[in-house]
Amino acid sequence: GGIITQTPKFLIGQEGQKLTLKCQQNFNHDTMYWYRQDSGKGLRLIYYSITENDLQKGDLSEGYDASREKKSSFSLTVTSAQKNEMAVFLCASKQGNERLFFGHGTKLSVL
Amino acid sequence: GDSVTQTEGLVTLTEGLPVMLNCTYQTAYSTFLFWYVQHLNEAPKLLLKSSTDNKRTEHQGFHATLHKSSSSFHLQKSSAQLSDSALYYCALSPGNYKYVFGAGTRLKVIA
Repeated sequence: GGIITQTPKFLIGQEGQKLTLKCQQNFNHDTMYWYRQDSGKGLRLIYYSITENDLQKGDLSEGYDASREKKSSFSLTVTSAQKNEMAVFLCASKQGNERLFFGHGTKLSVL
Repeated sequence: GDSVTQTEGLVTLTEGLPVMLNCTYQTAYSTFLFWYVQHLNEAPKLLLKSSTDNKRTEHQGFHATLHKSSSSFHLQKSSAQLSDSALYYCALSPGNYKYVFGAGTRLKVIA
């Protein structure tokens, strides 16, 4: 079986800082996703990528950049961290109409 | 656009009572519907999926039936267990790579 690895598990940043979250998958899946998880708001799509070097904006893309330079990796950048921001960022991947496989998430806190 | 609406917030049940978590959706496309479950400090994982109208799908004691006439995919279980306490997400995948999640329903089962 495969696995999705997100790094770091915890990320503490300063207001205005640029922060990068990384995701690696060894399923050989084509499609990868970044979601933001906030209590009571569900999983909101930030960016997704259909294949290597492809990027598609989700509903929550403002304030974020993404990069898919290899099939196995998908990184997300918070372009300017907001003070007191706290959220969990989940990376996922899938192939075709199959289910999503998720990583365990990166917990972000901004001081 | 595509959207998913779930039973809001927290559902608290006594062990042994039936579980019913509501999910309705809107989409213009033929779609897969999913239930994902996320236990504390774990990644979300697939519980059920369906694309067939009026067909019951079951897994790990849970079941759901996709009703396209009412755009619903409610999650049910005949008898709640303490280990069912988790966050449950209903999601749809309308075939354009996007995956849309509801806000999530937290189920708490008490003794």
